[in-house]
Amino acid sequence: DAGVIQSPRHEVTEMGQEVTLRCKPISGHNSLFWYRQTMMRGLELLIYFNNNVPIDDSGMPEDRFSAKMPNASFSTLKIQPSEPRDSAVYFCASSTDRAGGYTFGSGTRLTVV
Amino acid sequence: GESVGLHLPTLSVQEGDNSIINCAYSNSASDYFIWYKQESGKGPQFIIDIRSNMDKRQGQRVTVLLNKTVKHLSLQIAATQPGDSAVYFCAFLGTGYSTLTFGKGTMLLVSP
Repeated sequence: DAGVIQSPRHEVTEMGQEVTLRCKPISGHNSLFWYRQTMMRGLELLIYFNNNVPIDDSGMPEDRFSAKMPNASFSTLKIQPSEPRDSAVYFCASSTDRAGGYTFGSGTRLTVV
Repeated sequence: GESVGLHLPTLSVQEGDNSIINCAYSNSASDYFIWYKQESGKGPQFIIDIRSNMDKRQGQRVTVLLNKTVKHLSLQIAATQPGDSAVYFCAFLGTGYSTLTFGKGTMLLVSP
């Protein structure tokens, strides 16, 4: 298994531009999570999907952030418009059930200048 | 003004020593605990887990201890190696919660 696959690995964009991060979870995993990691705040949960349905999006910082999961093998996290304070590493993770360990992708390092 | 970043607690050990990394949690309803290892440039990687009906669980060179009375979790690494250098996170899940909550992390530095 290739694990959780995220793209791109690195993204540098100008303030105001739209950014789309992509994630392919492990086949058969029915839960998908988007996390953001910064030095200031550590690992923060942004949104959680179960069976492609958003269950908890209380961690999404503001309306500029949106996430979709159109099918079991793909999810996107979009930031529009992006701001310098969005600079962070964004991780996608998947699991088989709520009590299982999560498998994380390698992350997308986003820099907004 | 200058911003202050999150300063991770750091544990520095010599190769071959045993390492103990600690974590406190506040929610007494937490019933599932996991330790993750994160190497530079990578995502967190599952190491070992433990449920609240246990107080100790052993893996390969790692042991997790759970003290529910004081809400404390620890990770013991035996014969620490340079490859163990990483940031270690505890994470916990409580009944009624759908997602893991992560601690702030501890950086382990292993000197040869």
